[in-house]
Amino acid sequence: EADIYQTPRYLVIGTGKKITLECSQTMGHDKMYWYQQDPGMELHLIHYSYGVNSTEKGDLSSESTVSRIRTEHFPLTLESARPSHTSQYLCASSGPWTPPGNEQFFGPGTRLTVL
Amino acid sequence: GIQVEQSPPDLILQEGANSTLRCNFSDSVNNLQWFHQNPWGQLINLFYIPSGTKQNGRLSATTVATERYSLLYISSSQTTDSGVYFCAVDGSGTYKYIFGTGTRLKVLA
Repeated sequence: EADIYQTPRYLVIGTGKKITLECSQTMGHDKMYWYQQDPGMELHLIHYSYGVNSTEKGDLSSESTVSRIRTEHFPLTLESARPSHTSQYLCASSGPWTPPGNEQFFGPGTRLTVL
Repeated sequence: GIQVEQSPPDLILQEGANSTLRCNFSDSVNNLQWFHQNPWGQLINLFYIPSGTKQNGRLSATTVATERYSLLYISSSQTTDSGVYFCAVDGSGTYKYIFGTGTRLKVLA
């Protein structure tokens, strides 16, 4: 079973603040993902990475940015948070060591509230 | 892009009942997963099943790739089965999953 960690689990901040949501995995997975989910709704892919120094935007437009400097670490940053960014953010990973193919594993999520 | 539809959108069951959840997709898929999202928001892997049939305890799943659907069977449901069940597919082989809108299951004691 994959180990994926997200911090913080809950965050309440004011408008205009810069925030970074952390995501780390210990399985050596090459692929990592960020999804955004409103309560009770489907997940939308906002960023993904196929490996170090590789990042792509997902299908849902997002004002956030990501970086992938180390295999195990995939942080998401919002330069200036707004109330419209209030949501749950879920990190996932998969990789060549995930039999049989591309099974994704998810972290516990970060619930962000911007006041 | 590929479209993913899940049915029913909502389901209420009495404890002990059986149910079938369906996932239809509009194109061929390379990867398909079923997840259970618990009330705390955690997504739990149920099955990785791009084709064929798998069983794990009271749960089983079948994907008929040629007919573009997958089914998740829950037998002898328990209150802990409550939550949202998502189907996610990768149709492009790019390792990017598209999620369905989910089936919200509530099991009553």
